[in-house]
Amino acid sequence: DAGVIQSPRHEVTEMGQEVTLRCKPISGHNSLFWYRQTMMRGLELLIYFNNNVPIDDSGMPEDRFSAKMPNASFSTLKIQPSEPRDSAVYFCASSGPSGTLPSTDTQYFGPGTRLTVL
Amino acid sequence: GIQVEQSPPDLILQEGANSTLRCNFSDSVNNLQWFHQNPWGQLINLFYIPSGTKQNGRLSATTVATERYSLLYISSSQTTDSGVYFCAVDIGQFYFGTGTSLTVIP
Repeated sequence: DAGVIQSPRHEVTEMGQEVTLRCKPISGHNSLFWYRQTMMRGLELLIYFNNNVPIDDSGMPEDRFSAKMPNASFSTLKIQPSEPRDSAVYFCASSGPSGTLPSTDTQYFGPGTRLTVL
Repeated sequence: GIQVEQSPPDLILQEGANSTLRCNFSDSVNNLQWFHQNPWGQLINLFYIPSGTKQNGRLSATTVATERYSLLYISSSQTTDSGVYFCAVDIGQFYFGTGTSLTVIP
């Protein structure tokens, strides 16, 4: 398996623009996680899905952020409109399928998307 | 919210040395995990360990939930162990510690 795939790897955009980050989890995994990492706030869990259903989105910072998982092989994290404080590395991870919530399986991380909002 | 503190914040070791990293948390937790982020930014989930002890090669982890701490042991350290080690706790919401930055010198 190619592992967790994220795209794009780097994104530079201007304030106010819409940004869409994409993630393809490892085939067969049924949990998917979106994280954000910044120097100021460290690592934060934004949202996680189990069997394509959002289970915990309490880490989503505000309404400008939305995440979807239309099927088992694809997820998006959208920021609209983007702001400079959204600049961060966004990681996607997948795990499973233990069937437990929260997942107790090892999480496999993608390489991350480095987002810069000017 | 819950406080998650890691110590030491920075650690420099000679290759071959052993080390212990600590994670203290201020409330009961449902779940605790250890992660490693290498110098290139890649994140790896090391252990899921809400209680007890687990071992994986040169790494082992122990969580004493009643005393609200977890320890990560690295034995016979190698340069590839360098990076930042995070613990994260789940109390319904997920909280990460600020990490321990480890540098292993050849």
